[in-house]
Amino acid sequence: QKEVEQNSGPLSVPEGAIASLNCTYSDRVSQSFFWYRQYSGKSPELIMSIYSNGDKEDGRFTAQLNKASQYVSLLIRDSQPSDSATYLCAGLSSGSARQLTFGSGTQLTVLP
Amino acid sequence: GAVVSQHPSRVICKSGTSVKIECRSLDFQATTMFWYRQFPKQSLMLMATSNEGSKATYEQGVEKDKFLINHASLTLSTLTVTSAHPEDSSFYICSARKPLAGNTGELFFGEGSRLTVL
Repeated sequence: QKEVEQNSGPLSVPEGAIASLNCTYSDRVSQSFFWYRQYSGKSPELIMSIYSNGDKEDGRFTAQLNKASQYVSLLIRDSQPSDSATYLCAGLSSGSARQLTFGSGTQLTVLP
Repeated sequence: GAVVSQHPSRVICKSGTSVKIECRSLDFQATTMFWYRQFPKQSLMLMATSNEGSKATYEQGVEKDKFLINHASLTLSTLTVTSAHPEDSSFYICSARKPLAGNTGELFFGEGSRLTVL
């Protein structure tokens, strides 16, 4: 099993809808998780981080972590065309180097 | 917030030449920096972990003699692609972790360097 797995998509949602992005992880990844947004040709930018079970909300974004199921998700409410990008799920490795391991990314398109 | 700067943002070179990419943490000292490579429509793949004052740790499958990493100071790490070939064409991204009490692991990324080898 890959350390971090994502639905590769692509995912299309209409403007104003909720976009749901999902990610699962293996035991080799610790309990810190991050969602990054990457526009084409640009480097990733941090959207959300989550460390505890449950939900964490920041504006239109909600991250959810379920440690028992080893599952982390990102919900984007009231999706906008400007949200169209590739979303990368990342988890921190359990080793001393504390490296970030990325999923393959989900390409999201918000249709106006 | 923390800023990580990468230079150059784009470089085009001939096959067989060497290219150096710099990564600087502008407002914090980074004892550890990470170098990633991203091919088109693929995710970021960790190449190596750069440690200030010591040798870099390379991921499996990454040639340490081809991708030379130097982390001579707490604010600068360099990646040199030696004898570059067209298959080395990629988007190279560095990142650094800002030292904080209760290290949360958050990484700050540079802007990336797009290498094209002709």
